[in-house]
Amino acid sequence: QSVLTQPPSVSAAPGQKVTISCSGSSSNIENNYVSWYQQLPGTAPKLLIYDNNKRPSGIPDRFSGSKSGASATLGITGLQTGDEADYYCGTWDSSLSSVVFGGGTKLTVL
Amino acid sequence: EVQLVESGGGLVQPGGSLRLSCAASAFTFSSYWMSWVRQAPGKGLEWVANIKQDGSEKYYVDSVKGRFTISRDNAKNSLYLQMNSLRVEDTAVYYCARDMDSSLLMDVWGKGTTVTVSS
Repeated sequence: QSVLTQPPSVSAAPGQKVTISCSGSSSNIENNYVSWYQQLPGTAPKLLIYDNNKRPSGIPDRFSGSKSGASATLGITGLQTGDEADYYCGTWDSSLSSVVFGGGTKLTVL
Repeated sequence: EVQLVESGGGLVQPGGSLRLSCAASAFTFSSYWMSWVRQAPGKGLEWVANIKQDGSEKYYVDSVKGRFTISRDNAKNSLYLQMNSLRVEDTAVYYCARDMDSSLLMDVWGKGTTVTVSS
């Protein structure tokens, strides 16, 4: 069982919007920065969002991140078939002194 | 271009040892925390260990404590993971990653090296 909880799967039609939730606790999400990663099939993870809501250079503004209390959310607008991937949230857990990830969410663009 | 290239993966029997290496290029390696992250077949990401810029602090996931050792050689721009007493459940793709100062989460990832523990 992962320390951070994500829905196993989400789906939406091309052009639509989807959100992916990531739930944690006071020892991780509530008091530390959250990052989000996209992993396309057969490839290494890629940073999408860091420090809760910042986008690295080259990441389109269709991707957004937010945090409230011990939960974080990844939003993707204008869905494209190329967005089909696994998405992971991650953060530092101060009680465990370790990085923790969510179990991952598979996005299907119908 | 910032790059991380892992090597050293392979097939090993349970109880055996393996040493993974990660060669870094195009950034000041000695200025960053570094991590190893693994992914078992069909499973999610699992952080394994990280190490401070000068090697003075190291953290491990509980399941590898006492068996795995993370180290670095800043003069060679290289990160290592010594894996001893390997178990079948250590089978995974192992990624080397650069950490961000603000969060100790990863911003740059290598392509990974595969470790298979099987008799």
